[in-house]
Amino acid sequence: KAGVTQTPRYLIKTRGQQVTLSCSPISGHRSVSWYQQTPGQGLQFLFEYFSETQRNKGNFPGRFSGRQFSNSRSEMNVSTLELGDSALYLCASSLYLNPSNYGYTFGSGTRLTVV
Amino acid sequence: GIQVEQSPPDLILQEGANSTLRCNFSDSVNNLQWFHQNPWGQLINLFYIPSGTKQNGRLSATTVATERYSLLYISSSQTTDSGVYFCAVEGNTDKLIFGTGTRLQVFP
Repeated sequence: KAGVTQTPRYLIKTRGQQVTLSCSPISGHRSVSWYQQTPGQGLQFLFEYFSETQRNKGNFPGRFSGRQFSNSRSEMNVSTLELGDSALYLCASSLYLNPSNYGYTFGSGTRLTVV
Repeated sequence: GIQVEQSPPDLILQEGANSTLRCNFSDSVNNLQWFHQNPWGQLINLFYIPSGTKQNGRLSATTVATERYSLLYISSSQTTDSGVYFCAVEGNTDKLIFGTGTRLQVFP
């Protein structure tokens, strides 16, 4: 079956702009979570959605937001981009909200560069 | 929150060598996964192993939950094993907490 699909793979934006990233989970998976990876901070949790509801949120400013649709696809949005938002954004899907026997499966990520 | 420490931070091996990567965590966990991050950035799930031992080909992992550590064994390493290996745990907060990773370089 298809894995976790993230689009686009690469993105270059200018400071002050906004960006929307998309994640389609594995078919049948209802939980989608987002992570940011930077060289300085490593991998950090952004938020998690389950059945169209945000269930958990990491320690990021309000410029970072997300949503989940009825088909479990998720989008995350970053407004008023800053240079420090340059990062690899990874999406993970899982079958249930709580960990199953399979844990989380990650997509290939979207590499965002803010100039 | 839970702290996750991985060692060693860097590992350089010649092809064919064996290695052990360690992950220590500071509290009880419901989930522990080992990932390999490939050069393109994708996190490949190696093991879901909150406790016990699992093997998959040349890779195996053991988690001793009562002592709060997990080990990833790589036998007969190949150049394609190069990359960063992450341990990630999940407590009661429904989010993965990642270690800082072990960067493995395997030379022919």
